[in-house]
Amino acid sequence: QVQLVQSGAEVKKPGSSVKVACKASGGTFNNHAINWVRQGPGQGLEWMGTAIPAYGIANSAPKFQGRVTITADKSTSTVYMELSGLRSEDTATYYCAREFDALDIWGQGTLVIVSS
Amino acid sequence: SYELTQPPSVSVSPGQTANITCSGDKLGDKYACWYHQKPGQSPVLVIYKDDKRPSGIPERFSGSNSGNTATLTISGTQVIDEGDYYCQAWDSSSFYVFGTGTTVTVL
Repeated sequence: QVQLVQSGAEVKKPGSSVKVACKASGGTFNNHAINWVRQGPGQGLEWMGTAIPAYGIANSAPKFQGRVTITADKSTSTVYMELSGLRSEDTATYYCAREFDALDIWGQGTLVIVSS
Repeated sequence: SYELTQPPSVSVSPGQTANITCSGDKLGDKYACWYHQKPGQSPVLVIYKDDKRPSGIPERFSGSNSGNTATLTISGTQVIDEGDYYCQAWDSSSFYVFGTGTTVTVL
């Protein structure tokens, strides 16, 4: 069973960028889409965007367009989510999740703290 | 943009049935799914395509979706079922949309 392993926690300054990695362990992404979802402290889930590594397709939620870039490296079965122009409201746990009828496999989450 | 609304909290006694609703415009025309999240953990898919259970999810979890409301039912609720539950649907303009979340307390 494939697992999704994410990169470690980050502390960033306002205005900077963060790049979070999501690597498939014990398998590959195959033709599945990989989605990114974030959760602010004490808040609900918020969908950010998706990528299909096999086809080089990526899309993002209107709220994040222009600020989020989702890319994939098929050779290493890794998907990256880069968020630019960070502000304090971007402090959150960021999750990657595989899409197979629904978001059936989730990474462990990456905490990103934005603070001056 | 498309919105899904859930009650903030639901309380249930052990062994009883918990019903969690999710409301959205013509939600019954879309597929709904449900996630369970415990504090400090990643969400877990418990229902997809309205009423399908992933492998490993207990039979006490069931789902339905009609009209403007999807419902997650937990029969014979156990203490381990406590946590936050989120509904989710796919909309052509908003893509993946999550509900506002419901905290289930078993006491």
